[in-house]
Formats: sequence, C-alpha cells, structure tokens
Amino acid sequence: AQSVTQPDIHITVSEGASLELRCNYSYGATPYLFWYVQSPGQGLQLLLKYFSGDTLVQGIKGFEAEFKRSQSSFNLRKPSVHWSDAAEYFCAVGLRSNQFYFGTGTSLTVIP
Amino acid sequence: DTGVSQDPRHKITKRGQNVTFRCDPISEHNRLYWYRQTLGQGPEFLTYFQNEAQLEKSRLLSDRFSAERPKGSFSTLEIQRTEQGDSAMYLCASSLRGLGKNIQYFGAGTRLSVL
Repeated sequence: AQSVTQPDIHITVSEGASLELRCNYSYGATPYLFWYVQSPGQGLQLLLKYFSGDTLVQGIKGFEAEFKRSQSSFNLRKPSVHWSDAAEYFCAVGLRSNQFYFGTGTSLTVIP
Repeated sequence: DTGVSQDPRHKITKRGQNVTFRCDPISEHNRLYWYRQTLGQGPEFLTYFQNEAQLEKSRLLSDRFSAERPKGSFSTLEIQRTEQGDSAMYLCASSLRGLGKNIQYFGAGTRLSVL
C-alpha cells in the first residue's frame, strides 16, 4: 500500500537557522511529490512539486526539496528560517490515479 | 483566478442533523477533490470529480456522505445524520487535467463541529 512518512512530528528551530524536514514514501514507481504548508485554520498552500527531471526543485518562500530515488525520500530544506515560516508542513504523493496521499505533517516552531 | 473557495468556513451542528458544504473551484479547473482532515493528521482523500462525473470514492466515504458536482463547476458535500466522529476540517481542491501532471490547489476548508 502507498504511504507517506514524516518521521518528525514537531521541530523547533531558531530564526536564521537552517531547516530540513524529512519525507519518505512507499510506492512502486516514482510518484509525483509535493510539499504543502498549512497555517492554523487555513487550507494548504503548495510550496513545491517534483514530477521528473532535475532532482533538486525550488519552491516559493525560499524552500527547496531534493528527490532521492534510492532512499525514497523528498526532504524539504530552507537555508535560513524566518519567524513567518512557523506552520504545519505536509509531504504528499500524487499517483496516476489522481489520489493524493499525505503524511501526518511536521509542525514547525521558530524561536527568536 | 480567485482560488478555491469554500462555504461555510465553520459549521456547528448537533448530532443527527444534516449538513451541506459548498466548494467553488478555480475557474476552468475540471477536476475537484474532497478531503477530510482530523486534528494532528494529514488530509485524507474522500472523493473526486472530473467535470460532473464522480470517478473515485474512498472507503472513508460512508453512505451518509454524498457529493455532487451537477454542472461540472461547484460541488457540494452533504453529510446526513451527523455523528461526533464527523467533526473535522473538510478540504476541497481543484486541478486542471493536462499533460498528466496533477497539481491540486486547496481551499481554506470548512471546519465542522458536531456536538
């Protein structure tokens, strides 16, 4: 069965520090991969996506993610975190069947 | 492009009542999706439409749930005889079919509280 694992439920970083959020997926083929961000009480905003090609993808707000086929991972990174980045982050796998499978999310706290 | 809009944003109801939510997708998006998100979890797929046809339904979509997209534009999700376990955020997303790349854009959701 398809699954998406975000092993870190909660992460706290200092403002200006670097960030890496982990995502692993289980699927027979290379799926489409996405990262979304959700602020409290809000819907999901697309940060970035991977379909094929270059394994390092750039997104909005200074985020990037790297697809590693050998590790079935799609980790999200940002070199310098801002206080406004505090939110819930979801990794998602999109299948040809159009279903999206989401991880359980990682909550990010940014401290001054 | 005004984004995906959902109405209402919040709904409080008593157990046993029926509720209906509306979703207006991004104009020209022919695919529309419904998800349910409970506290501390990621969204879970419920169902999706391509134009007016409902093409896929999750096992999560019990017979108390029904979704429609009568003219291929807006969609409604109805829950009959609500239960406390139905309390969740209901998210709608839309996408445009093309080139096999499915990018889903989400609305702000409808938060349902069943008392």
